[in-house]
Amino acid sequence: DSGVTQTPKHLITATGQRVTLRCSPRSGDLSVYWYQQSLDQGLQFLIQYYNGEERAKGNILERFSAQQFPDLHSELNLSSLELGDSALYFCASSGVGRNTEAFFGQGTRLTVV
Amino acid sequence: AQKITQTQPGMFVQEKEAVTLDCTYDTSDQSYGLFWYKQPSSGEMIFLIYQGSYDEQNATEGRYSLNFQKARKSANLVISASQLGDSAMYFCAMREGTGGSYIPTFGRGTSLIVHP
Repeated sequence: DSGVTQTPKHLITATGQRVTLRCSPRSGDLSVYWYQQSLDQGLQFLIQYYNGEERAKGNILERFSAQQFPDLHSELNLSSLELGDSALYFCASSGVGRNTEAFFGQGTRLTVV
Repeated sequence: AQKITQTQPGMFVQEKEAVTLDCTYDTSDQSYGLFWYKQPSSGEMIFLIYQGSYDEQNATEGRYSLNFQKARKSANLVISASQLGDSAMYFCAMREGTGGSYIPTFGRGTSLIVHP
């Protein structure tokens, strides 16, 4: 158990809909990262939050947004969903510094039909 | 340019044999961290081993060891005495950066299949 909790584990929704993915980081970790993993793109970094503030952005679409709350849990909001958004979405958390490992949640498998 | 390159899309190994999964990286930073993760078919990402850029000794964790060659910018994962449960995708990752982001960047992964 990595200590990072993601919900839900599976999500099936229709095109055009909006969903929210939730992540609770490991106790004490201030950084949260969101990744998208699809078969053809590998693990793509989407966005990072640190102690409630957005710290870095990667290949995140404008239809996607995220936030981190005062209790450090984070949510990734995906809207106007398209078939191509079907993927495994991971949340990871870590301590401060480049020499600490990031721990991953179990992922949310999103299927857009 | 790719930050992390894993040139082996797939590898096969006989049970109980050792296997090396290749990883090369690209950075101009002096301080960085290198990591390996395992992703079994169930999907979760499991942290295996870490190597710091200033560490002089190669990292080891049980059957996993990291063959770190700084001058060549390579960080190969060695799995000794392979087991059937080692069949999975393996990802090499690096943390570097400025401004406190230290975003983990991943390679495309290597699929390892262990034969009985």
